[in-house]
Amino acid sequence: EVQLVESGGGLVQPGRSLRLSCAASGFTFGSYAINWLRQAPGKGLEWVSFIRRRASGGTTEYAASVKGRFTISRDDSESIAYLQMNSLKTEDTAVYYCARYFCGGGACGYDQWGQGTLVTVSS
Amino acid sequence: VLTQSPGTLSLSPGERATLSCRASQSVSSSFFAWYQQKPGQAPRLLIYGASSRATGIPDRFSGSGSGTDFTLTISRLEPEDFAVYYCQQYVTSPPMVTFGPGTKVDV
Repeated sequence: EVQLVESGGGLVQPGRSLRLSCAASGFTFGSYAINWLRQAPGKGLEWVSFIRRRASGGTTEYAASVKGRFTISRDDSESIAYLQMNSLKTEDTAVYYCARYFCGGGACGYDQWGQGTLVTVSS
Repeated sequence: VLTQSPGTLSLSPGERATLSCRASQSVSSSFFAWYQQKPGQAPRLLIYGASSRATGIPDRFSGSGSGTDFTLTISRLEPEDFAVYYCQQYVTSPPMVTFGPGTKVDV
C-alpha cells in the first residue's frame, strides 16, 4: 500500500525553526518528484515547494512566499523527504501535506497525499 | 492565476454539477488537475491531464477543456460528493504550482 506520513509539526514561536519529515512506503520513492503543500485554517491549498527525482537532477523549486526561508531535501535511501522551515512567520500557520507528483501518459497530478501535519506559529 | 466558479454550488443528490476553472493564461492540459477535499481530510486526485480519471474514481466524474477554460462535471451527485473541489496547474517557466480558490458543492 502506498503511504506518505508527515511528522514534525507543532507549536513554534515566530522567528524559530522547524523541520518536517515525510516518510514514504509502498513505492519506489526515488522515481517521483515530491512536493510540500499547505492549507491555512479555513483556507484553500497552497503549493510550498518541490524536489525533482534524481534522474531529473534532484533540483528544487519554491513558492515566493517561502523562498529563502524553507529548504526541501530528500533521502532516497531512506524514502524520506524533509522541509526545513526557518524564520517562521505567523502566516506560515497551516496543515502541511507532502504529496507525490505522478505523471502517466504525459498527464500529471498529485496522486498520493499524506494525512498532513499541523504547524502553528504563535507567541 | 486560476479562478473557479461558482464559489458555492447548491444542488441535490441526483443532480448534475458543472464546475468551472479559468486560467489567466494558457495552460498545458498535461499539467492540469482536479481534486476533491472533504473536511478534515487530505485532498484526493480526481482528474489529471485535464480529462483522465485517477485510479478508483467513479465514471460520474469527468473533466474537459483546454487552453484557459476547464470544466469538471459530476453527472449525478451522490451524497458523498458534497465537498470542496480545487483545480490545479503546473507551469514550467518559471516552475510553479497554483490552485484555484475552490468550489464548495453543498446540499
